[in-house]
Amino acid sequence: GQSLEQPSEVTAVEGAIVQINCTYQTSGFYGLSWYQQHDGGAPTFLSYNALDGLEETGRFSSFLSRSDSYGYLLLQELQMKDSASYFCAVPSWANAGKSTFGDGTTLTVKP
Amino acid sequence: DTAVSQTPKYLVTQMGNDKSIKCEQNLGHDTMYWYKQDSKKFLKIMFSYNNKELIINETVPNRFSPKSPDKAHLNLHINSLELGDSAVYFCASSQAASGSAGELFFGEGSRLTVL
Repeated sequence: GQSLEQPSEVTAVEGAIVQINCTYQTSGFYGLSWYQQHDGGAPTFLSYNALDGLEETGRFSSFLSRSDSYGYLLLQELQMKDSASYFCAVPSWANAGKSTFGDGTTLTVKP
Repeated sequence: DTAVSQTPKYLVTQMGNDKSIKCEQNLGHDTMYWYKQDSKKFLKIMFSYNNKELIINETVPNRFSPKSPDKAHLNLHINSLELGDSAVYFCASSQAASGSAGELFFGEGSRLTVL
């Protein structure tokens, strides 16, 4: 089976940097994805790491260490609009690409 | 053009009723899913269809019956609704290909409230 752990809540101020960690236990690991979901909205894809290392996309970066079964999402220069829930997820190609999601981290950005 | 659209957006109904949610995607994807998000925001997969064939049924009660008339549509019918069925149901699609991110494209969700 698959299980992912991430903190339930994180709070930071505008302009700061925040890191949301995700540890996983899976059978057949292919990579780690991140999704963002605003209140009342749909989850939207942010990033995917198949290989170890840091992937940067604008203010957001995602990191993966396969040997540690660990990844994180790094958000820089936080803005109020970044307040949302963030989910790590693992796709399973043994199961038609089904993604198993962590329980989500609620990020609150304060002025 | 909405990539993944689902209707209705809101459903309020009484216990014991039957209801359906429809989903359509215009992305040309082969795989479609139903996810359930409860009040704690946990996102759990319910079903997965690949080219109209059921691939995954995640121990969902048989009161829930998905149907895929073609690979662009995946509907969800729920019989004898219970209070615990209250949740947001998300339809999603992906172009599932081994080694890719399997990026999921979600619909806007259907919020079901059972009274």
